[in-house]
Amino acid sequence: AQSVTQPDIHITVSEGASLELRCNYSYGATPYLFWYVQSPGQGLQLLLKYFSGDTLVQGIKGFEAEFKRSQSSFNLRKPSVHWSDAAEYFCAVGTNAGNMLTFGGGTRLMVKP
Amino acid sequence: GAVVSQHPSWVICKSGTSVKIECRSLDFQATTMFWYRQFPKQSLMLMATSNEGSKATYEQGVEKDKFLINHASLTLSTLTVTSAHPEDSSFYICSASLRDTITDTQYFGPGTRLTVL
Repeated sequence: AQSVTQPDIHITVSEGASLELRCNYSYGATPYLFWYVQSPGQGLQLLLKYFSGDTLVQGIKGFEAEFKRSQSSFNLRKPSVHWSDAAEYFCAVGTNAGNMLTFGGGTRLMVKP
Repeated sequence: GAVVSQHPSWVICKSGTSVKIECRSLDFQATTMFWYRQFPKQSLMLMATSNEGSKATYEQGVEKDKFLINHASLTLSTLTVTSAHPEDSSFYICSASLRDTITDTQYFGPGTRLTVL
């Protein structure tokens, strides 16, 4: 069975600093990988996704993620964090051509002024 | 594009009553929709997968008689919590699946906060 681990439950960064959120997955076949962001009391917004091709994927809001098969990782990065990026971030692996999602536990990002 | 709405955004009801939550894909047709439940500060838990015109597939441990799902059209799925009790209080989120090129992507609604008194 597939699984997703987000090792960091909470992360605090200063505004303007760089950010990396870790995601490790376990899946026997080619993974379909997603990052979503959730603001308090809201649904999830898709940041980016990967299923093939270039292993560095660009998303919305200046985010990018890199797929590393050898490390079973799909870490999310942003070069300069804005206060509005404070939210919960979920990594997910999709099976059935991406149709069924298994989510990680989430990482709560806090941004210091 | 790929906008999903939910209604209502929050609801308070008395114990023993039933509550219906609607999930709509506004600008695309979704053969498959999903219903999730999220407890405070936790991840999403898949409750069921809903396919248009057929019975929903429930995850293990989810009571199908308590959480009735209907997917009557390619843009609408409903979740009815029957005989609600305080332990059913939660944040319910739906998603709709959109196929682009060779993969499916789930787009999520804004969620419905249910409080059962």
